[in-house]
Amino acid sequence: AQSVAQPEDQVNVAEGNPLTVKCTYSVSGNPYLFWYVQYPNRGLQFLLKYITGDNLVKGSYGFEAEFNKSQTSFHLKKPSALVSDSALYFCAVRERLDMRFGAGTRLTVKP
Amino acid sequence: SAVISQKPSRDICQRGTSLTIQCQVDSQVTMMFWYRQQPGQSLTLIATANQGSEATYESGFVIDKFPISRPNLTFSTLTVSNMSPEDSSIYLCSVEGQGVGNTIYFGEGSWLTVV
Repeated sequence: AQSVAQPEDQVNVAEGNPLTVKCTYSVSGNPYLFWYVQYPNRGLQFLLKYITGDNLVKGSYGFEAEFNKSQTSFHLKKPSALVSDSALYFCAVRERLDMRFGAGTRLTVKP
Repeated sequence: SAVISQKPSRDICQRGTSLTIQCQVDSQVTMMFWYRQQPGQSLTLIATANQGSEATYESGFVIDKFPISRPNLTFSTLTVSNMSPEDSSIYLCSVEGQGVGNTIYFGEGSWLTVV
């Protein structure tokens, strides 16, 4: 069965600095990989996904993620963080009908 | 992406009572999913609901505790029965989008507190 790990519970960055939220995965076949964001008191919002093709995927709100097959990683990145990016971020992997979520990483962007 | 509406958005429930959460989608979808997010935790799939068939429950979840209805392609309900404080969670309805690597889209969630 597939699994996904987010090794950091918390990431703190200063506004304007680049941010990275890490995700590694394990699947038996080709992965479908996703990032979601959860703002306070809100549901999950889809940010981006990797299916196939270009390893760099661009998504909403200026976020992007890089698929690295050899390292089985799918890290979320943004060149310049905003205070409004502070939220809980979930990585997810889907194999057929089954979708598994990571534990989540709380991103705090300080002014 | 689909627009998913959940009711209630938030509720405080008495121990031992049951609450039904409604999920309405603005388009017809084949697969709907119900997730639970306990405080400070990630998401756990409760069950998958397809129209015209019984819901499929994940390990650790049973129909008697979480009965689900799926009467048509745009609507589903999840009931949390005989609630205890351990059931205090966010319950999220989600649907599968179209296309390759179908994205799962979520509603805003129903935030339940059991006292």
